[in-house]
Amino acid sequence: EPEVTQTPSHQVTQMGQEVILRCVPISNHLYFYWYRQILGQKVEFLVSFYNNEISEKSEIFDDQFSVERPDGSNFTLKIRSTKLEDSAMYFCASSEVGTDSPLHFGNGTRLTVT
Amino acid sequence: KQEVTQIPAALSVPEGENLVLNCSFTDSAIYNLQWFRQDPGKGLTSLLLIQSSQREQTSGRLNASLDKSSGRSTLYIAASQPGDSATYLCAVFPLGQGGSEKLVFGKGTKLTVNP
Repeated sequence: EPEVTQTPSHQVTQMGQEVILRCVPISNHLYFYWYRQILGQKVEFLVSFYNNEISEKSEIFDDQFSVERPDGSNFTLKIRSTKLEDSAMYFCASSEVGTDSPLHFGNGTRLTVT
Repeated sequence: KQEVTQIPAALSVPEGENLVLNCSFTDSAIYNLQWFRQDPGKGLTSLLLIQSSQREQTSGRLNASLDKSSGRSTLYIAASQPGDSATYLCAVFPLGQGGSEKLVFGKGTKLTVNP
């Protein structure tokens, strides 16, 4: 069964550094998402992406964050100038037709900011 | 603002038992409701999606119901097995002006099925 793949599985970075989290969504899916889960807390929405542009973003997704689909397969989340509170599990997800279809999640990237 | 609550936070049952996980949401204006399973250190696996016009969905030993007017959903697991041990998450797509692309999640119910 096709799956969403994320790399790396674990990223450790120092405060103030930039990180890029990578995702390969399922090939025929059109909608892409980033969610995050801080340890012990709820999974929370960051951003949705459709037709090569952001379709919705949360208050969390400020100027520190950006997303890109640099080619036909990858979907990236860049976090500039990381802060301690950015430490979380970041999940990429994709869906075939947006809200009408289930979201398929990757296994996540655990980001640790020291 | 939509809030999703799941009760109980944790549940431990013996193998073979039938069980019910509960989910409630504060705003009945939803597009659909989804149940996910999360294994430790892993991503979320979609289990069932119920559209707002539907009352229930079934997949194998899983049955999810939706009562939109009362803001409730239940996930029924029949004949539980140790392999069902995981955290089960409930999430809704709010139906807002212009639509919403974001799933709103509950905190989950951690299920342990003991052999």
